[in-house]
Amino acid sequence: EIVLTQSPGTLSLSPGERATLSCRASQSVSGSRLAWYQQTPGQAPRLLIYGASKRATGIPDRFGGSGSGTDFTLTINRLEPEDFAMYYCQHYGSSLYSFGQGTRLEIK
Amino acid sequence: EVQLVESGGGLVQPGGSLRLSCAASGFTFSSYSMNWVRQAPGKGLEWVSFISPSSSSTYYADSVKGRFTISRDNAKNLLYLQMNSLRAEDTAVFYCARVRITPGAPNDDSYYYMDVWGKGTTVTASS
Repeated sequence: EIVLTQSPGTLSLSPGERATLSCRASQSVSGSRLAWYQQTPGQAPRLLIYGASKRATGIPDRFGGSGSGTDFTLTINRLEPEDFAMYYCQHYGSSLYSFGQGTRLEIK
Repeated sequence: EVQLVESGGGLVQPGGSLRLSCAASGFTFSSYSMNWVRQAPGKGLEWVSFISPSSSSTYYADSVKGRFTISRDNAKNLLYLQMNSLRAEDTAVFYCARVRITPGAPNDDSYYYMDVWGKGTTVTASS
């Protein structure tokens, strides 16, 4: 089973800054099977990125994904107030879905 | 509008049973695989179960295997999760999510992700 470890646990930044969130897999995975989700309090998760780097429909271009192998990154440029939320990476493989434990992006 | 609406959550005693439903609309439900994902209070997301479009394949997280059963009724556009032998640690918001498996680049892997989520239904297993 693939274990995804996200870092940092909490990231404190100001609006307008750039956020860099990390997702590390316990073994090499296909980037095609790596996705990122955003969740605000009391809301359902929202798909941001799939295939490690492809933005989902309607996602602003300030959100970007990159990485391969075991290391993947979600970058958010020019943070907007609505970007402060929880972020999860997720992988599918061997008939199992797994999520990272999440990174909380909070306003500094 | 593409939409998923969960129902059936509630308070149940440990050891009890509950059946969750997820009503799909705005898309051809029978063409898509579906997942259940849960979130315990103050915790992260945990995948629970998967079902293929024709119900020919079902998968479960180890934490629920043997206790939960996923099923679907394509004629009614409904997804279900039958939960038996509930434990306190099953307390969570349960989400249904549409699974997308889309072709990647030539000679590359397909993309796997969940693109539509319901708002969730809350299950509390407590005496």
